[in-house]
Amino acid sequence: SAVISQKPSRDICQRGTSLTIQCQVDSQVTMMFWYRQQPGQSLTLIATANQGSEATYESGFVIDKFPISRPNLTFSTLTVSNMSPEDSSIYLCSVVGTGGIGELFFGEGSRLTVL
Amino acid sequence: QQPVQSPQAVILREGEDAVINCSSSKALYSVHWYRQKHGEAPVFLMILLKGGEQKGHDKISASFNEKKQQSSLYLTASQLSYSGTYFCGTPTGPGTYKYIFGTGTRLKVLA
Repeated sequence: SAVISQKPSRDICQRGTSLTIQCQVDSQVTMMFWYRQQPGQSLTLIATANQGSEATYESGFVIDKFPISRPNLTFSTLTVSNMSPEDSSIYLCSVVGTGGIGELFFGEGSRLTVL
Repeated sequence: QQPVQSPQAVILREGEDAVINCSSSKALYSVHWYRQKHGEAPVFLMILLKGGEQKGHDKISASFNEKKQQSSLYLTASQLSYSGTYFCGTPTGPGTYKYIFGTGTRLKVLA
């Protein structure tokens, strides 16, 4: 298993500002992912955070809006830029377990409310 | 295309059984099931692989019909701790760890 810590756990932000979410894993992992969960909805993959190279974004998500850093194998950040109320969501960091079956472990999430 | 789950929500009494279905319009390479309690992170329950092999939870079972592109999660003798939202997830392609998750099923178990 993997223990994932995210900061902040929640925040209230003003429209037009940016917020950076941190994700720390207790072991080195190759793959880290960022998901978004809009209120009452399912999880949607934003991007794969690649160590040593640019993140890989899914359709509908762009680097200018969600810049991602991955400086090492245990840490990543996701920035939500120029926020609007539509960005109010839970943002979750996730890693693949080492059990060989591809299970995902998630952080507790960062709940953002944009006013 | 996101897998569709049914029912959207279900309420049970302790000890009752429930079935949650996950249906995809695209090929399913494998199916994961996760449970998310309110305000918490999703937690992995089990994985179903092609060929019927299951790995995961010992109190919850599931099936995987590759031809019908469907999976079902069986919760028997429900406990209060089973309450939460259940998501199926499937890789977006073979050999990838990028997953697309189903629409979710909210399950509440009452005493």
